[in-house]
Amino acid sequence: KQEVTQIPAALSVPEGENLVLNCSFTDSAIYNLQWFRQDPGKGLTSLLLIQSSQREQTSGRLNASLDKSSGRSTLYIAASQPGDSATYLCAVRQGSGGSNYKLTFGKGTLLTVNP
Amino acid sequence: NAGVTQTPKFQVLKTGQSMTLQCAQDMNHNSMYWYRQDPGMGLRLIYYSASEGTTDKGEVPNGYNVSRLNKREFSLRLESAAPSQTSVYFCASSALDSRTDTQYFGPGTRLTVL
Repeated sequence: KQEVTQIPAALSVPEGENLVLNCSFTDSAIYNLQWFRQDPGKGLTSLLLIQSSQREQTSGRLNASLDKSSGRSTLYIAASQPGDSATYLCAVRQGSGGSNYKLTFGKGTLLTVNP
Repeated sequence: NAGVTQTPKFQVLKTGQSMTLQCAQDMNHNSMYWYRQDPGMGLRLIYYSASEGTTDKGEVPNGYNVSRLNKREFSLRLESAAPSQTSVYFCASSALDSRTDTQYFGPGTRLTVL
């Protein structure tokens, strides 16, 4: 059974700092990995999706990397801002894209960026 | 586009009552999903529908039923609510295109069972 772990569970940083969020998974036979953002009381918003054949994806100040063989992904946030404060979740999709569409989520990292 | 919409946003039930959570998407997606989110447990898949006319159990299906009414709508029913079903419920959809297999989430339904 796939298990996804996110470390740390919570992180507080001053504005302007660069930071890294970590995600690890136990079964390396994944189809893709996604990073989501969740604001309090809201749904999830997809930030980046990395296919299993890719090493990284970038969107603005966000960069996600994937090392499938070691079962790890990182989300790098450059020049953090108070508006980045949210819970960040990592999710992996199993299988080869045939009949298995399920995502397995980590429990998230609660990020607070202090002005 | 509204994306994924869910109704109701909040609901309080008494133990044993029934209710249906509604979900609709306007992105012409093939696949739809129901998750629950609990403190310390993360998001867990209840049921999913890979395409219109099919439904499958996820990780925690007990106590729930689903209906894929058409391509747009996917409902979740609690036949006899229990306090253990107090949670935040999210509906999601995806196109299942191998290049852009992103799941899009609704705003959630906050359910309390007394």
